[in-house]
Amino acid sequence: QQQVKQSPQSLIVQKGGISIINCAYENTAFDYFPWYQQFPGKGPALLIAIRPDVSEKKEGRFTISFNKSAKQFSLHIMDSQPGDSATYFCAASTRSNYQLIWGAGTKLIIKP
Amino acid sequence: GAVVSQHPSWVICKSGTSVKIECRSLDFQATTMFWYRQFPKQSLMLMATSNEGSKATYEQGVEKDKFLINHASLTLSTLTVTSAHPEDSSFYICSAQRGTGETQYFGPGTRLLVL
Repeated sequence: QQQVKQSPQSLIVQKGGISIINCAYENTAFDYFPWYQQFPGKGPALLIAIRPDVSEKKEGRFTISFNKSAKQFSLHIMDSQPGDSATYFCAASTRSNYQLIWGAGTKLIIKP
Repeated sequence: GAVVSQHPSWVICKSGTSVKIECRSLDFQATTMFWYRQFPKQSLMLMATSNEGSKATYEQGVEKDKFLINHASLTLSTLTVTSAHPEDSSFYICSAQRGTGETQYFGPGTRLLVL
């Protein structure tokens, strides 16, 4: 019940296209859903995060869509650029337990 | 704001020696710091959680006597890998959090290679 399932494992998108990464969870107590971006040899960096009181959050080219009833959330990267090539992790946590439960990660490659 | 640094960024040591890794929150006070380990092409694995001034809480399967954590101040936590062995070679990452349930900000990681 603590798992966060992330898909796909890897994704190749043409430059200018839309990259979509999906995550699903079981624990309905989760109330914080961040996405992290990690480049090789670096620590993860917070990209965007959402709480379940909204269904969508947009920051620049990055959008989180959240479906509470389906217990799913996804990251959309619009106008994908080669510089977006990285590994993306979704995660979830609750206010009462600060521990992040991580997805397995998605390696995104944007082809020029 | 919310910058976390780690030192060193990489370290090579001989088997049997101890290695200390520092994690600092540079522009905020961190009530909680976390230590993770990451193997190639895998997700982050939480090793332990530390609060300033108290003993760290270790995850199941993590040897507390091998991975010593000290959270001496609201801006500094250290991880010491004692009597390191080649299987301890990994990418160690810390994160810091202002308050419970808030965003974790990650350091750049430390690559440890034990020969």
